Amino acid sequence: DVKVTQSSRYLVKRTGEKVFLECVQDMDHENMFWYRQDPGLGLRLIYFSYDVKMKEKGDIPEGYSVSREKKERFSLILESASTNQTSMYLCASSLTGGGTQHFGDGTRLSIL
Amino acid sequence: QKEVEQDPGPLSVPEGAIVSLNCTYSNSAFQYFMWYRQYSRKGPELLMYTYSSGNKEDGRFTAQVDKSSKYISLFIRDSQPSDSATYLCAMRLGSASKIIFGSGTRLSIRP
Repeated sequence: DVKVTQSSRYLVKRTGEKVFLECVQDMDHENMFWYRQDPGLGLRLIYFSYDVKMKEKGDIPEGYSVSREKKERFSLILESASTNQTSMYLCASSLTGGGTQHFGDGTRLSIL
Repeated sequence: QKEVEQDPGPLSVPEGAIVSLNCTYSNSAFQYFMWYRQYSRKGPELLMYTYSSGNKEDGRFTAQVDKSSKYISLFIRDSQPSDSATYLCAMRLGSASKIIFGSGTRLSIRP
């Protein structure tokens, strides 16, 4: 079974802080994704990566950056956290060529 | 207009009932259609995956795609309290990796 692990289940940070969310997958998937999930808005794609050091902006990249130095690890960075970035963050991975996405259990991030 | 529309619910039905969950979409080029189930405080997990039009059955679950109407459905027979979750429809173009998700329908099965 594919395992996607997000390093924190719950995180509380202050406005202006630099925040790192980490995600690791163990199935050698080429593609990795970061979403945020908000009530009534569903899952919105922030960034995705189709290879090491490669990334593409999703639908809502503003205020976020990503890093993929190793194939199994994909990090989401909030450069200067703001209260409107309080949300559930979900990481996913998939094989290239459009395989189905496998999700981690999410990080619930609160920015105070 | 959103690319994928899904009624958020909540939907509450008695145990044993047949449940019908639906999504409509606007892009006729979508080819792959999925249903994900998400339990509280967990990530979404893939439930059903279909290509193009038609039906696919897996145990108590049936996924139906009507491309002419741009409408997909998930039917749950003999619903159980353990089916209580949020159900997200999702779809994608061809071999592209990006998936477009519906906003999810919260389902509750009453014992």
